[in-house]
Amino acid sequence: GENVEQHPSTLSVQEGDSAVIKCTYSDSASNYFPWYKQELGKGPQLIIDIRSNVGEKKDQRIAVTLNKTAKHFSLHITETQPEDSAVYFCAGRRPPNMLTFGGGTRLMVKP
Amino acid sequence: DTGVSQDPRHKITKRGQNVTFRCDPISEHNRLYWYRQTLGQGPEFLTYFQNEAQLEKSRLLSDRFSAERPKGSFSTLEIQRTEQGDSAMYLCASRHRDEKLFFGSGTQLSVL
Repeated sequence: GENVEQHPSTLSVQEGDSAVIKCTYSDSASNYFPWYKQELGKGPQLIIDIRSNVGEKKDQRIAVTLNKTAKHFSLHITETQPEDSAVYFCAGRRPPNMLTFGGGTRLMVKP
Repeated sequence: DTGVSQDPRHKITKRGQNVTFRCDPISEHNRLYWYRQTLGQGPEFLTYFQNEAQLEKSRLLSDRFSAERPKGSFSTLEIQRTEQGDSAMYLCASRHRDEKLFFGSGTQLSVL
């Protein structure tokens, strides 16, 4: 089955700096890669996703890049703000249905 | 609020008791998922429904776990004879035909 690994497990940045979280996946058949943000006591919230036929996608301060050959994808957050502090999860979808999640990255943005 | 509702938000039970959780997906979503999340870990897949049919079950879903989606709308997850190792957040998620999966806020289960 699919295995998704995520690094780093914790990341501390100064407000206004950029943050980068990286994930690798094992199953070359995986074709969909979402990123979720989870705040304390809440369920994961979808923030951005990318399909395997696209190399990069951007939504305001958030961008995701995908390298199919190397089987890795990354989340980039620019101009970080304190409200970006949360746990971020990457995931990969092996057809037909199931998402496999990484272990999570705790992002702390210091004001 | 994603539109996926879970009830209860918290459940404290004694070892050996049975518990049942409910999930109401986004109304037009025909695909419904249950995941389990322990502290400091990512969600782990438990089971999946398309309409009322349970199409996939993880090996994590022991015989003490059962899930139903009788009319293709809401779903229930029951754990019989709870054990301390069952303590976790139980997350429900739903989607329509595209890949975007939306999660509820989860039910936090504590087994004493």
